[in-house]
Amino acid sequence: AQTVTQSQPEMSVQEAETVTLSCTYDTSESNYYLFWYKQPPSRQMILVIRQEAYKQQNATENRFSVNFQKAAKSFSLKISDSQLGDTAMYFCAFMKHLRWYSTLTFGKGTMLLVSP
Amino acid sequence: DAGVTQSPTHLIKTRGQQVTLRCSPKSGHDTVSWYQQALGQGPQFIFQYYEEEERQRGNFPDRFSGHQFPNYSSELNVNALLLGDSALYLCASSLEWDRDTEAFFGQGTRLTVV
Repeated sequence: AQTVTQSQPEMSVQEAETVTLSCTYDTSESNYYLFWYKQPPSRQMILVIRQEAYKQQNATENRFSVNFQKAAKSFSLKISDSQLGDTAMYFCAFMKHLRWYSTLTFGKGTMLLVSP
Repeated sequence: DAGVTQSPTHLIKTRGQQVTLRCSPKSGHDTVSWYQQALGQGPQFIFQYYEEEERQRGNFPDRFSGHQFPNYSSELNVNALLLGDSALYLCASSLEWDRDTEAFFGQGTRLTVV
């Protein structure tokens, strides 16, 4: 079974600054996907960024980038130029690489508060 | 495109009752997954439906059951409700043959058992 650990229950950052959220995972799979999801107070999970384990290049999406360390089973999210709208719960998630769209295993989340 | 829609948004039930939650997937999606998110926790996988059959199931008791209809919409049923079933129930839809497209989530149903 896979496990996902987010060791930071809460993080705070000021607008325009950079913040890094940590995630580690445990799996015996060699190929898989990793995700960061954002859950604002509206409750809807929104995909922030995804990484395929067989790709060595770290994924980036505008202000969001990841540091994927496969050997260390680490997958951190860096948010640059933080904005007030980034305030939300952030979940790290793992998905097996199967023939079909598999299921997500989530961490417990990190609450990010961006202040003016 | 309305995305994934769930109903109702909020629900209050009494212990021992039964509840049905509904989910309409994003247009074009054929796979529906259900997750339970307890307060302060990450979502936990309940089960996944494809072609009207339960394809995968998480570690949930048989009190949790589901159904998928020919139009790909889905229902989650919970029997003999317990206080511990109080949670946000999320539905996610995806496309079975395309793992590269993202799963889309609904806004969830907040179930409170009293």
